Amino acid sequence: DTVLTQSPALAVSPGERVSISCRASEGVNSYMHWYQQKPGQQPKLLIYKASNLASGVPARFSGSGSGTDFTLTIDPVEADDTATYFCQQSWNDPPTFGGGTKLELK
Amino acid sequence: EVQLQESGPGLVKPSQSLSLTCSVTGYSITSNYWGWIRKFPGNKMEWMGYISYSGSTSYNPSLKSRISITRDTSKNQFFLQLNSVTTEDTATYYCARAVRVSHYFDYWGQGVMVTVSS
Repeated sequence: DTVLTQSPALAVSPGERVSISCRASEGVNSYMHWYQQKPGQQPKLLIYKASNLASGVPARFSGSGSGTDFTLTIDPVEADDTATYFCQQSWNDPPTFGGGTKLELK
Repeated sequence: EVQLQESGPGLVKPSQSLSLTCSVTGYSITSNYWGWIRKFPGNKMEWMGYISYSGSTSYNPSLKSRISITRDTSKNQFFLQLNSVTTEDTATYYCARAVRVSHYFDYWGQGVMVTVSS
């Protein structure tokens, strides 16, 4: 299976820019997607196919990358962005998820 | 608006079968793909399988001998059955819609916590 590696946690101050990385153990073309999950809620799609903003998602969120290295950027970070962020690839079978990056605000 | 809602028992005994229902409103399950994903304590997420718009299925090889996903198009529902459960199957189970070709999940249910314990 394709292993997706994310940093476990990040802490930033409101108004700053944050980049959350996801590295794949093998190439996934551009088929990397990002989700936000807050405690007690279901995951919410943010970015699909590496760089496409999902409907209703603020333009503060953006995605980049291809192949094995991908980044989710939030700029500027707001207090409401406290959550865990997951990447997911769908190029290789089976689809797999990263372990999640917990974003905390200082 | 597309909405998904999981339902089923929150407690299952080891060696028994786990059965969940996903009820979909606002969109027909005869379009797109419909999947089950679970999140274990500690955050690990696992794709379990899909049922497609045509009724074909695809499963995670790690579960292939234990899993079955079926559907009832008249009720716009799809179902998960996981056999021979162990405590390692304790997780929050989500149903979700997967977009064709790209297979990202754009709509999710709220999730149901299932504990496997005697």
